[in-house]
Amino acid sequence: QVTLKESGPVLVKPTETLTLTCTVSGFSLSNTRMGVSWIRQPPGKALEWLAHIFSSDEKSYSTSLRSRLTISKDTSKSQVVLTMTNMDPVDTATYYCARTTKYGPLVDYWGQGTLVTVSS
Amino acid sequence: DIVMTQSPDSLAVSLGERATISCKSSQSVLYSSNNKNYLAWYQQKPGQPPKLLINWASTRESGVPDRFSGSGSGTDFTLTISSLQAEDVAVYYCQQYYSTPLTFGGGTKVEIK
Repeated sequence: QVTLKESGPVLVKPTETLTLTCTVSGFSLSNTRMGVSWIRQPPGKALEWLAHIFSSDEKSYSTSLRSRLTISKDTSKSQVVLTMTNMDPVDTATYYCARTTKYGPLVDYWGQGTLVTVSS
Repeated sequence: DIVMTQSPDSLAVSLGERATISCKSSQSVLYSSNNKNYLAWYQQKPGQPPKLLINWASTRESGVPDRFSGSGSGTDFTLTISSLQAEDVAVYYCQQYYSTPLTFGGGTKVEIK
């Protein structure tokens, strides 16, 4: 059974750096056909893809947020970490991690998401 | 970046009637070497994460009812719910995975009339 679980702070202050962790089970981050994406959704708004990483350490980032994002993985812990610098209230959103297959890359299984609020 | 445009933003359909959602991409998502459209549809119910319904524009995921169907090619795609059920109330998103950055449409909210 594939599961993904996001963890991290629920509240961050403007200008701070956000660090989110995705812990996966039911598949391995060393599988050459599998990776993890981060996707966010502001309250009441649409989905926005942020980044993904594959077992080869191949990474891709959102064009508009590239300068603020870093994605990494710890295969031994089955974890993928996303950092986003210089947080702003407009970054308030539910942040999802999701399994991503190399066939595409296609996003198939999603975590439940974690709501992050940016406020002083 | 490929821009995905969905229409309408919302629609209300009577139970048992057909619901049709359109999705257009700013450039083709058809990969000529394998003749596959890199287009997915997701369903998001209130308070839940999105769920993958259809990939490759028309392939239903395992367990997805056959009242859901996807069609189209190149830049124009459609998601059809042939006979709307109460449990289909949700927001539906199209997404292209032809190239990174992956991009989503703005979503279409489906309600019961």
